[in-house]
Amino acid sequence: SYDLTQPPSVSVSPGQTASITCSGYKLGDKYASWYQQKPGQSPVVVIYQDNKRPSGIPERFSGSNSGNTATLTISGTQAVDEADYYCLAWDSGTVGVFGGGTKLTVL
Amino acid sequence: EVQLVESGGDVIRPGGSLRLSCAASGFTFGDYGLSWVRQAPGKGLEWVSGITWNGDRTDYADSVKGRFTISRDNAKNSLFLQMNTLRPEDTAFYYCARRENSGWYFDYWGQGTLVTVSS
Repeated sequence: SYDLTQPPSVSVSPGQTASITCSGYKLGDKYASWYQQKPGQSPVVVIYQDNKRPSGIPERFSGSNSGNTATLTISGTQAVDEADYYCLAWDSGTVGVFGGGTKLTVL
Repeated sequence: EVQLVESGGDVIRPGGSLRLSCAASGFTFGDYGLSWVRQAPGKGLEWVSGITWNGDRTDYADSVKGRFTISRDNAKNSLFLQMNTLRPEDTAFYYCARRENSGWYFDYWGQGTLVTVSS
């Protein structure tokens, strides 16, 4: 089965850049998406198809995907960005696979 | 406005069965693939099962294969998850999620329904 690996936690100071990675075999050959989840809420997509931002998502969120690693980058991180982040890719196009999630702390 | 509303969560004993429903509104239901995604309390997201727009293909995570069945009724704008032989490790919030038409991400999620498997 296909696996995606994320760091359990990332810390960043307000105003700095946070990078969250997602690693999987030839992940760059698949589309990656990223989801933000705050406590008690449903996930929300923040990046889709590697680097596209849905309407309503701030420009400080960006993404890339190459080789075996997809990266979610948050520039000028704000306290409101503190949340859990999950990457998602599709195995054989039909089986969804989530990364284990990364807790982003803004301190 | 797109809405996905899950229901059917309950406390159930190990080995029991439960059927979850997801009522959709605000979009043409039959045009979209859908999935169930679960999250055990305090844990990460786990994709459980997916179904194509017309129901001709279904897929399952290895952890539920042979025990869970996904289905849909496009006339009633509803998605279902029949869960049999439930185990304590199936305890989780179960979310219904719409797969965007390009196919590669979930653009809308429901609020989730809690399934607790415990004796």
